[in-house]
Amino acid sequence: DAKTTQPPSMDCAEGRAANLPCNHSTISGNEYVYWYRQIHSQGPQYIIHGLKNNETNEMASLIITEDRKSSTLILPHATLRDTAVYYCIVRVANNNDMRFGAGTRLTVKP
Amino acid sequence: DTEVTQTPKHLVMGMTNKKSLKCEQHMGHRAMYWYKQKAKKPPELMFVYSYEKLSINESVPSRFSPECPNSSLLNLHLHALQPEDSALYLCASSQSRTSGGYTFGSGTRLTVV
Repeated sequence: DAKTTQPPSMDCAEGRAANLPCNHSTISGNEYVYWYRQIHSQGPQYIIHGLKNNETNEMASLIITEDRKSSTLILPHATLRDTAVYYCIVRVANNNDMRFGAGTRLTVKP
Repeated sequence: DTEVTQTPKHLVMGMTNKKSLKCEQHMGHRAMYWYKQKAKKPPELMFVYSYEKLSINESVPSRFSPECPNSSLLNLHLHALQPEDSALYLCASSQSRTSGGYTFGSGTRLTVV
């Protein structure tokens, strides 16, 4: 699986959009980008995933660059409950085994 | 039912004890996973089961022994653990090893004394 690079920490003001970047410059054509988050002392929670096109669901939007070497997770209106560690993971299409990198610790401040 | 249930939530055990962690799901998922997470670190994959068969063992010491008695249940048997094995143990499931997002349990916080 391709390696990912994320900033170790970010702050965001409550009510503002949180934009979390992920670099995956060695991604292959059949690898998906997945995002999970882990709120303190809980199990990780699936957020969103994509291959080439931008994706949106009720939790977030995922923007993947045209060359697929990086992506951005957008939480449109961050709340205090979005404070968590966010993990960007690249996985091969037919292999579901997931290995986590260090992630980004997002702190949403009032 | 869209949950993965792990029991117990907390466990304290001595280095000579034998204990087991339990993980259960009723979503019809055929892949189940054990992860270990130390404080302020990401989860580390330990074992992968697919259709009740062990598919991956990430070079985990033999004092950790996984078992998948049926498609809904995953156990992790613990024996002769060390204090450095203290961690949060997470279970997850997915539709299969080739598809589906993961659903994680809340974990068992293990302390070895």
